[in-house]
Amino acid sequence: DGGITQSPKYLFRKEGQNVTLSCEQNLNHDAMYWYRQDPGQGLRLIYYSQIVNDFQKGDIAEGYSVSREKKESFPLTVTSAQKNPTAFYLCASSLDRDRNYGYTFGSGTRLTVV
Amino acid sequence: AQSVTQLDSHVSVSEGTPVLLRCNYSSSYSPSLFWYVQHPNKGLQLLLKYTSAATLVKGINGFEAEFKKSETSFHLTKPSAHMSDAAEYFCVVSANPNNFNKFYFGSGTKLNVKP
Repeated sequence: DGGITQSPKYLFRKEGQNVTLSCEQNLNHDAMYWYRQDPGQGLRLIYYSQIVNDFQKGDIAEGYSVSREKKESFPLTVTSAQKNPTAFYLCASSLDRDRNYGYTFGSGTRLTVV
Repeated sequence: AQSVTQLDSHVSVSEGTPVLLRCNYSSSYSPSLFWYVQHPNKGLQLLLKYTSAATLVKGINGFEAEFKKSETSFHLTKPSAHMSDAAEYFCVVSANPNNFNKFYFGSGTKLNVKP
């Protein structure tokens, strides 16, 4: 079955460390997205990518970086510059130009700073 | 500009009674509208979507929603709540400016179902 796989499910980071969250999809979707979810704030867009080797900042990109070297993969790095990284991170994908299609979401990674 | 307002952050119902989760939207484009459900520590699952066809949309698990353009609303309903419906629900508007599919999320409504 096609879908999106996020790993790890839980991640602990020490102060000052960079960590990378994995997101892989086998849906042959063009676009991929990273969202951050905090209690009571809904989902906020961090980065998105419409095609390989291209990505754009979302609403809260500071302290994060991404790459899109393959269509299937869109890893997110949470850098030490992100002052409050503890959150639930969701990866999604969609057919880029079809607004009727909707997003397919991964099961999320919960990041905690210790 | 696009935005979504979910009018209730928390809704509590008794099992077997109707569910109503309210959503209003604004969009500069002809929107597509979605409802997603999220159980704790899980990803979001699509419940249903409106894509300019029938205004009454039926989804999974007995949920349905009605698109009302005059009221800019897309409320989610279910005739009889089940304990397994307890989750957080997100209303989403999709717009396609510059030929790119972008989602705008509401802040979510947590549904509590009492036995």
